[in-house]
Amino acid sequence: DSGVTQTPKHLITATGQRVTLRCSPRSGDLSVYWYQQSLDQGLQFLIQYYNGEERAKGNILERFSAQQFPDLHSELNLSSLELGDSALYFCASSLGVNEKLFFGSGTQLSVL
Amino acid sequence: GEDVEQSLFLSVREGDSSVINCTYTDSSSTYLYWYKQEPGAGLQLLTYIFSNMDMKQDQRLTVLLNKKDKHLSLRIADTQTGDSAIYFCAERSGSARQLTFGSGTQLTVLP
Repeated sequence: DSGVTQTPKHLITATGQRVTLRCSPRSGDLSVYWYQQSLDQGLQFLIQYYNGEERAKGNILERFSAQQFPDLHSELNLSSLELGDSALYFCASSLGVNEKLFFGSGTQLSVL
Repeated sequence: GEDVEQSLFLSVREGDSSVINCTYTDSSSTYLYWYKQEPGAGLQLLTYIFSNMDMKQDQRLTVLLNKKDKHLSLRIADTQTGDSAIYFCAERSGSARQLTFGSGTQLTVLP
């Protein structure tokens, strides 16, 4: 158990809908990362937050947004969902910005 | 930009050694990592090496780094069926705040 908690584990929704994925980092970790894992694109970095502030942005679509709250948990919001958004979404946390990443078990999103 | 490459598949017999290879392009890489992903699970950090090191050993795992060739390998001694998983190589360059992952190597351990 990495100590990173993601909910829900599975999410099934329809095209055009909006969903929110939640992540609680390991106790004491200030940095949260979101990754998308799909068969065709592998593991893609989406976005990173550190102590509530956005620190780095990767291949995140404009339809997607995220935030980190004062209690350090993070949410990833995916809107106007398309079939191609079906993927495994991972959250990871680290103590600082250049530390080892610890991953949650992911949220499997299926868009039908 | 950064690029990390791995072969997709590796099969070994139980009890043999496995060697998973990875190449990267960013010469400013500071840390290189190996993660393991079992079916239906997240990525588990196995080990990591700092770029000024050549080798790191941790029980059955040995990491070798050839910085000149930008080549990283993970050797698993006495491979067991429980080692069957996807192994990801990842690197963090000096300028990047996130990890760049390879495509993963599916290790299958045959009885």
